[in-house]
Amino acid sequence: KQEVTQIPAALSVPEGENLVLNCSFTDSAIYNLQWFRQDPGKGLTSLLLIQSSQREQTSGRLNASLDKSSGRSTLYIAASQPGDSATYLCAAPLSGGYNKLIFGAGTRLAVHP
Amino acid sequence: EPEVTQTPSHQVTQMGQEVILRCVPISNHLYFYWYRQILGQKVEFLVSFYNNEISEKSEIFDDQFSVERPDGSNFTLKIRSTKLEDSAMYFCASRGEFYYEQYFGPGTRLTVT
Repeated sequence: KQEVTQIPAALSVPEGENLVLNCSFTDSAIYNLQWFRQDPGKGLTSLLLIQSSQREQTSGRLNASLDKSSGRSTLYIAASQPGDSATYLCAAPLSGGYNKLIFGAGTRLAVHP
Repeated sequence: EPEVTQTPSHQVTQMGQEVILRCVPISNHLYFYWYRQILGQKVEFLVSFYNNEISEKSEIFDDQFSVERPDGSNFTLKIRSTKLEDSAMYFCASRGEFYYEQYFGPGTRLTVT
């Protein structure tokens, strides 16, 4: 059974800081891991998908890493901005599967000017 | 940029009534999903659909739920007799055949009174 945990649950930082959000998963036999952003009352915006064959994936100021052996992924946000304020979710598929995503509870990020 | 769309954005219904939530997945995608998020809780998987049939479903997806792809563009979730505990945000998602990134719609907020 796949369980996904995210720490911290909430984070409040001043603008400009570099941030690391953590995601851990119990079953390392995954093909990929996906990071999402969710604004309050809104849908999920896909930020990055890391394939199991990759160790890192970058998009703009975002960098995600994946370490299957330790069951961990991190999302690094460089030079944070108030517009980055949102909840960040990671999701891993059920072991051996391509379909069902198991979500963490998210990290609620607030970046203040 | 192609996106998943969902209608309505908000649906209020009385307990025991039937509701149909509608989704238009990205046009060349072949895998379709429904997830839901009860307020303050994790996003949870309901069902996946491929090649005109359900490929996987969760314990939540009981006989009160059904999905359908009535034509080449729409994907629907029907709840036959709504309960108070069905109140949640329902998200539709889709993905292509060879790339596993799931793209989510903006969600339908279902309120059962």
